[in-house]
Amino acid sequence: ETGVTQSPTHLIKTRGQQVTLRCSSQSGHNTVSWYQQALGQGPQFIFQYYREEENGRGNFPPRFSGLQFPNYSSELNVNALELDDSALYLCASTIWGGHTNTEAFFGQGTRLTVV
Amino acid sequence: AQKVTQAQTEISVVEKEDVTLDCVYETRDTTYYLFWYKQPPSGELVFLIRRNSFDEQNEISGRYSWNFQKSTSSFNFTITASQVVDSAVYFCALSEDSGGGADGLTFGKGTHLIIQP
Repeated sequence: ETGVTQSPTHLIKTRGQQVTLRCSSQSGHNTVSWYQQALGQGPQFIFQYYREEENGRGNFPPRFSGLQFPNYSSELNVNALELDDSALYLCASTIWGGHTNTEAFFGQGTRLTVV
Repeated sequence: AQKVTQAQTEISVVEKEDVTLDCVYETRDTTYYLFWYKQPPSGELVFLIRRNSFDEQNEISGRYSWNFQKSTSSFNFTITASQVVDSAVYFCALSEDSGGGADGLTFGKGTHLIIQP
């Protein structure tokens, strides 16, 4: 086990609602990244948080937002849910060195279903 | 833009056979990092290896080995004497050395490896 924990493990929401997913990072890691993995696809980078600020973002709209707390845990918030947001959401923790991350350790994911 | 291609969608072999998973990448950076992850049915991505672009030495870890060739932009993964527990989806990924912001990992679409008893 990696020490990265996510909650909840499964979630069902209705289109248009908002959702918050949570992640606690591995001890000693200062950076949290979030990924979206659609069925049968590889994970796609949503964003990364370092020192409580977003320091990198993939090709996702602003309705995907996040927070990082002083203890390095993190939240992913998605507003105005769409059916295509149904996916496995993975949290990864790393140590950010200014130019690159160490290897990422992932949580078990949150399976979000939007109906 | 960076890209990772795993052309093999699914591979099925009988236990104890050797199997190679292919990975081809594209990047304009001279400094970059390559990874392999294993995803069992539970969903968690398990880190297997990280290799930087300046280290082309092949690596062996038990039954696992990796062949990195910059000339062909490939980073292939071989499992020797496969076991049923090796059944999973395997992802190859790439990250570039950024100028300050983070671009995250770019993953391939994965190869579903099935080891039959």
